[in-house]
Amino acid sequence: GAVVSQHPSWVICKSGTSVKIECRSLDFQATTMFWYRQFPKQSLMLMATSNEGSKATYEQGVEKDKFLINHASLTLSTLTVTSAHPEDSSFYICSASFPRDRASEQFFGPGTRLTVL
Amino acid sequence: GDSVTQMEGPVTLSEEAFLTINCTYTATGYPSLFWYVQYPGEGLQLLLKATKADDKGSNKGFEATYRKETTSFHLEKGSVQVSDSAVYFCALVNDYKLSFGAGTTVTVRA
Repeated sequence: GAVVSQHPSWVICKSGTSVKIECRSLDFQATTMFWYRQFPKQSLMLMATSNEGSKATYEQGVEKDKFLINHASLTLSTLTVTSAHPEDSSFYICSASFPRDRASEQFFGPGTRLTVL
Repeated sequence: GDSVTQMEGPVTLSEEAFLTINCTYTATGYPSLFWYVQYPGEGLQLLLKATKADDKGSNKGFEATYRKETTSFHLEKGSVQVSDSAVYFCALVNDYKLSFGAGTTVTVRA
């Protein structure tokens, strides 16, 4: 149980275009979803936290107009990288949880590798 | 705020060697502790977890014990294989937030 999928697994786009990444919880209802970014040989950096039906909470330094997050249902969150540029190339990973308490586990998707040319 | 510190890598071992990756944490309250593994080009996989003091998590020959008195969650495996080559992340969840360590790259040579 507790499977999270991401789509697409990789995407290549031209500079200036927008890219949408989907994160789905397949067998549970995720009240909270998280978006992370990982640069090569580095740890994951939390970008934002989204709760179903409300606006996402962005971490300091993450541009909310650049990285649009929508959590429209209990099983789907989307991250849209708007007007992508080469510096946005990275590995984006989502996670989902249904927090029963303050220390509940997050379940991770397989990641999406974005390359902006 | 909460933080996780794990030993820096890279770590290179021979097959069948003993592996230890140290992890200590700083957190208030009662966090849950996790070890995740990331194979090249892939996402994170949960390796093991412990939700309270003195719990031992184990999976695939790996073990880690939640030590509240030393605020540690060291990962161990008695005999590593080439397939264990990966990046290992120690993490904690507290107050609904996940904090990661920097990751330790482990390479096992045949």
